[in-house]
Amino acid sequence: KAGVTQTPRYLIKTRGQQVTLSCSPISGHRSVSWYQQTPGQGLQFLFEYFSETQRNKGNFPGRFSGRQFSNSRSEMNVSTLELGDSALYLCASTSSPGQGPYEQYFGPGTRLTVT
Amino acid sequence: AQSVTQPDIHITVSEGASLELRCNYSYGATPYLFWYVQSPGQGLQLLLKYFSGDTLVQGIKGFEAEFKRSQSSFNLRKPSVHWSDAAEYFCAVAEDYSSNTGKLIFGQGTTLQVKP
Repeated sequence: KAGVTQTPRYLIKTRGQQVTLSCSPISGHRSVSWYQQTPGQGLQFLFEYFSETQRNKGNFPGRFSGRQFSNSRSEMNVSTLELGDSALYLCASTSSPGQGPYEQYFGPGTRLTVT
Repeated sequence: AQSVTQPDIHITVSEGASLELRCNYSYGATPYLFWYVQSPGQGLQLLLKYFSGDTLVQGIKGFEAEFKRSQSSFNLRKPSVHWSDAAEYFCAVAEDYSSNTGKLIFGQGTTLQVKP
């Protein structure tokens, strides 16, 4: 099976712009979670989607949003970019949430640089 | 609220030496615990997990971890480190499986350097 794929891998944007990142989960996986990784704050949970519904959300401003499509692919959007949004954005997919313990498989991430 | 602490930010070991990376968690119920490894510029790879049962769990790449409820710890070990083990290691706890969400709480990470 192919792993979790994220596009693009690298992105440079200017303050005030908006950006959309994409994540394709492992085939058959229906849950997608997003994390932000920065040197100062470490790995922080952004949100989780399951069957096109947001099930959980981290403590991030409303500029951060996401959605999931019927094929389980997910996108996250950041509007009005700030310098502090520069980070590695990681996507993880899960096979069977809600059925007890499960594993999350991470993609390679999208490195976003805001100038 | 759940939390994970990795007391060591940076560890250096010689190739062939043993390794132990510390992880302490704060969680009221039985925790679901994970260790992930991240090589530079890469995503996270799952090394091993603890859900229940035997407190000594085996993972990939020769790693193992021991769950000690009395110490709220889940330390990662490897008997003999290879140069390719140099990476950043993250301990994580699942926030709450009973609520059926996939949120992981991560520690700050430990960077492992391996000396030849």
